[in-house]
Amino acid sequence: SQELEQSPQSLIVQEGKNLTINCTSSKTLYGLYWYKQKYGEGLIFLMMLQKGGEEKSHEKITAKLDEKKQQSSLHITASQPSHAGIYLCGADRAPLTFGKGTLLTVNP
Amino acid sequence: ETGVTQSPTHLIKTRGQQVTLRCSSQSGHNTVSWYQQALGQGPQFIFQYYREEENGRGNFPPRFSGLQFPNYSSELNVNALELDDSALYLCASRLDRAETQYFGPGTRLLVL
Repeated sequence: SQELEQSPQSLIVQEGKNLTINCTSSKTLYGLYWYKQKYGEGLIFLMMLQKGGEEKSHEKITAKLDEKKQQSSLHITASQPSHAGIYLCGADRAPLTFGKGTLLTVNP
Repeated sequence: ETGVTQSPTHLIKTRGQQVTLRCSSQSGHNTVSWYQQALGQGPQFIFQYYREEENGRGNFPPRFSGLQFPNYSSELNVNALELDDSALYLCASRLDRAETQYFGPGTRLLVL
């Protein structure tokens, strides 16, 4: 079965700093989802990447898919306390597989 | 708001009991999936229903079962509850397999 490994497991940054979260797959990525989760709550869809080299942005969050490396990265520019939460990557294969998540804390 | 709702929000049961969790999908979404998320882990796929029939299942025993109804609602039933069943249960709906999944807020189940 496919496994997704996220790094780092947790991250603490000062407000205003940039940060990157990585998601590496054990198998070829045909599509990748990024979700955000507040502790103990449901997942909020951020972005879906389907093509190698694809890059999408939403507000201050940018995600890229590198199929050759079987990896995706999520970059947040000028982080804010509202960015705090758990970021999960999910591979679009049957069944949908998620990484364990990266816990982001943004200190004001 | 994703348009997906779940009930109840929290639930406490004892070992050996049975539980039913409910999910109301976005209108028109004919596919619903259920996930189990243990503390500190990513969601684990339980099963998926498409047009009221199960069409995919993860590595969960038969005591985990489900139903999907024509009105876009669905249920997850768990029999003979075990302590390890304590988790956040999430449902996600989408229109056909190719579309993005939208998650509900989850039901937190505690088994004592």
